[in-house]
Amino acid sequence: QQPVQSPQAVILREGEDAVINCSSSKALYSVHWYRQKHGEAPVFLMILLKGGEQKGHEKISASFNEKKQQSSLYLTASQLSYSGTYFCGTAPRRGSNDYKLSFGAGTTVTVRA
Amino acid sequence: DAGVIQSPRHEVTEMGQEVTLRCKPISGHNSLFWYRQTMMRGLELLIYFNNNVPIDDSGMPEDRFSAKMPNASFSTLKIQPSEPRDSAVYFCASSSQMGGELFFGEGSRLTVL
Repeated sequence: QQPVQSPQAVILREGEDAVINCSSSKALYSVHWYRQKHGEAPVFLMILLKGGEQKGHEKISASFNEKKQQSSLYLTASQLSYSGTYFCGTAPRRGSNDYKLSFGAGTTVTVRA
Repeated sequence: DAGVIQSPRHEVTEMGQEVTLRCKPISGHNSLFWYRQTMMRGLELLIYFNNNVPIDDSGMPEDRFSAKMPNASFSTLKIQPSEPRDSAVYFCASSSQMGGELFFGEGSRLTVL
């Protein structure tokens, strides 16, 4: 089952902050975050495995609340290069050999000068 | 490393024709995923393999779709017969471990007329 992302789109000026949310109706083992620029393939940002764990990539960080089955991606002091569509991917682990990673619909981020 | 290699990059075909998309994962990666991306449906997981064995093909839309992974360095996704609604970008991704970071290929853009 696909996770739900919000908002669908956000427009920022350089230097502004934004939060993208990802939630699932099912218990989660992990959350992935990827960014896709127009006409390109998705690129990995980070994986979160434990409740409340935060990770960072440049000035992009994320948190994962395992109990609430939610993750949030934080864009801090946004740069023009942050523009793109952000996808969260979630997987309910059923076994060590099973990892069905489903992606949300994406959040389009536009950063303007 | 060369990354995940997909071919062809672009394919235009007529309805009813057979289409074969190819993927070479990163050497040493033992997990391989096929995704389809459209504006309407986003990134859909079609099938994934671990150690060349299909784990879950529940995302394959119809019997017209089939995928194989005869060895660790090659996978195919075949559509026979193709229909206009199959038009999409098909991504192949590989990972060094189930649940790890996905490395996406550049995608195969399929247009069925």
